[in-house]
Amino acid sequence: DAKTTQPTSMDCAEGRAANLPCNHSTISGNEYVYWYRQIHSQGPQYIIHGLKNNETNEMASLIITEDRKSSTLILPHATLRDTAVYYCIVISAGKSTFGDGTTLTVKP
Amino acid sequence: GAGVSQSPRYKVAKRGQDVALRCDPISGHVSLFWYQQALGQGPEFLTYFQNEAQLDKSGLPSDRFFAERPEGSVSTLKIQRTQQEDSAVYLCASTEVSNQPQHFGDGTRLSIL
Repeated sequence: DAKTTQPTSMDCAEGRAANLPCNHSTISGNEYVYWYRQIHSQGPQYIIHGLKNNETNEMASLIITEDRKSSTLILPHATLRDTAVYYCIVISAGKSTFGDGTTLTVKP
Repeated sequence: GAGVSQSPRYKVAKRGQDVALRCDPISGHVSLFWYQQALGQGPEFLTYFQNEAQLDKSGLPSDRFFAERPEGSVSTLKIQRTQQEDSAVYLCASTEVSNQPQHFGDGTRLSIL
């Protein structure tokens, strides 16, 4: 199963862009990269996913490198409510392997 | 609501008791997943169903753990002879097909005394 590595924690100023990196060097050609976030006492919330092209939705943008070995989640204007643990995962044959994620703290 | 529903929200049991945790997926979702999340860690995959078929149970930590989804909708995760290390949040997720975004419930927090 493809595994991901993420920094343990990051800080971001409110209103600024938050850029969260993820390495997935063993990803296979048909595996998607997914991003979720989790706020205390809640289940993970889906943010965005992609295969090889960059993606954007109302929550975030996803930039995937050409070799697909890494990606970056961008929250363009972080708010205090974006403080959460962010998980980057690669799904293989239905099975998802979460790491310990990045704890993003948005500061006023 | 139309989301994934898990019950009970909290469960306290004495060591050695059996427990059953229920998951109601989003209506029509074919795939259903169970995860275990220890405090301060990410969710760990336990098992995966497609309709009533259990396609992957490689993450179940021991034979004390058993999951079923007999009619391809509601699923139950059963833990027999619970031990303290079973204390965790158990998350359920469902999706229309396996490689689409998973929708998670808020989990059952299990505490074994």
